[in-house]
Amino acid sequence: AQTVTQSQPEMSVQEAETVTLSCTYDTSESDYYLFWYKQPPSRQMILVIRQEAYKQQNATENRFSVNFQKAAKSFSLKISDSQLGDAAMYFCAYRSTQGGSEKLVFGKGTKLTVNP
Amino acid sequence: DAGVIQSPRHEVTEMGQEVTLRCKPISGHNSLFWYRQTMMRGLELLIYFNNNVPIDDSGMPEDRFSAKMPNASFSTLKIQPSEPRDSAVYFCASSLWGYNVLTFGAGSRLTVL
Repeated sequence: AQTVTQSQPEMSVQEAETVTLSCTYDTSESDYYLFWYKQPPSRQMILVIRQEAYKQQNATENRFSVNFQKAAKSFSLKISDSQLGDAAMYFCAYRSTQGGSEKLVFGKGTKLTVNP
Repeated sequence: DAGVIQSPRHEVTEMGQEVTLRCKPISGHNSLFWYRQTMMRGLELLIYFNNNVPIDDSGMPEDRFSAKMPNASFSTLKIQPSEPRDSAVYFCASSLWGYNVLTFGAGSRLTVL
């Protein structure tokens, strides 16, 4: 079974600075999808960014970008120009493409604090 | 679209009582997921449906839990009887099959005393 590991339970960053959240995963598959979700105090899970494993180019969404290292099974999230509204729990997630499964496997999350 | 709608937002009940959580997926989405979030175990998939049919219920903890999707616009997760260890936030999410992106509801926080 696939597993997702987020080794940083908590991180903090100064407003306007850059922070990188780590994620590693374990799989024997060659094609899959990876995601970062944000959960602010409101509890709503919000998709931040996604990456298809067959694409070598790292995904970007405005101030959010990923560093996808397929061989190392690493999928880190970089937040540039951090804003107070970025404070939240961030979850890395994996989705297999095999068997038509739509199941997302989540890491335990990283709590990000943004200091003014 | 109003997004995925869950009710109730909060539920406090006593051990042994029946609990029913409800979910309305986004119109047009044909996959629906129930997740449970706890501090100890994180986010766990309980069950998911495709076109109203349960596809994977391997995450359902035990027979006290049951889920139904009688039509494309409604699903329920029922716990009977409830126990204190069932206290958690229960999320419903929906997606368009094959589109790879789940949209989550706001969650239902369940407290069993």
